[in-house]
Amino acid sequence: DTAVSQTPKYLVTQMGNDKSIKCEQNLGHDTMYWYKQDSKKFLKIMFSYNNKELIINETVPNRFSPKSPDKAHLNLHINSLELGDSAVYFCASSLIDSEAFFGQGTRLTVV
Amino acid sequence: DQQVKQNSPSLSVQEGRISILNCDYTNSMFDYFLWYKKYPAEGPTFLISISSIKDKNEDGRFTVFLNKSAKHLSLHIVPSQPGDSAVYFCAARRSNDYKLSFGAGTTVTVRA
Repeated sequence: DTAVSQTPKYLVTQMGNDKSIKCEQNLGHDTMYWYKQDSKKFLKIMFSYNNKELIINETVPNRFSPKSPDKAHLNLHINSLELGDSAVYFCASSLIDSEAFFGQGTRLTVV
Repeated sequence: DQQVKQNSPSLSVQEGRISILNCDYTNSMFDYFLWYKKYPAEGPTFLISISSIKDKNEDGRFTVFLNKSAKHLSLHIVPSQPGDSAVYFCAARRSNDYKLSFGAGTTVTVRA
């Protein structure tokens, strides 16, 4: 029974395209996140939503736009993809003051 | 600017022995610390945490030690098992803050 699931797991696309990554959690958490793991393996937070409201918005190009239709879903849309966007993107969820649960990751490759 | 640092990128240990992973942080406002374990092609999995009001937290084979004055924490795995081979991430945040800051990870290899 998957707790945090994100699709697709792998995404290969050309520069300039627009793509979306979807995330769903069935843990009843009120907060969801997008993290990016770059080539140096650092995990860095991009966005966080609490009860569908944006609460964290790190310095991310505005080509990245998160959307939270409800508490259980947080999608990430990326416009005009660039080579430097290639990374692994992790969705996560949590309750306040508790540990975050992560999805399996989406490996995005821009060619 | 990395506020959480794991200076050892890798660690190799024999099965049955102790694994010690280290983590340093620079932000004195951090008061909650976590360790995550990650297998290839999977997301990080929560392992153990510690609040700044404690200096030790134990869960089975895993113990986390916190030295606030040194801004240092460590994870001990005793005894190490082959299934412990993974990347271990140290993370930290402030209370009531959703944002986790991660270290770069330490790859642990447990040799049979």
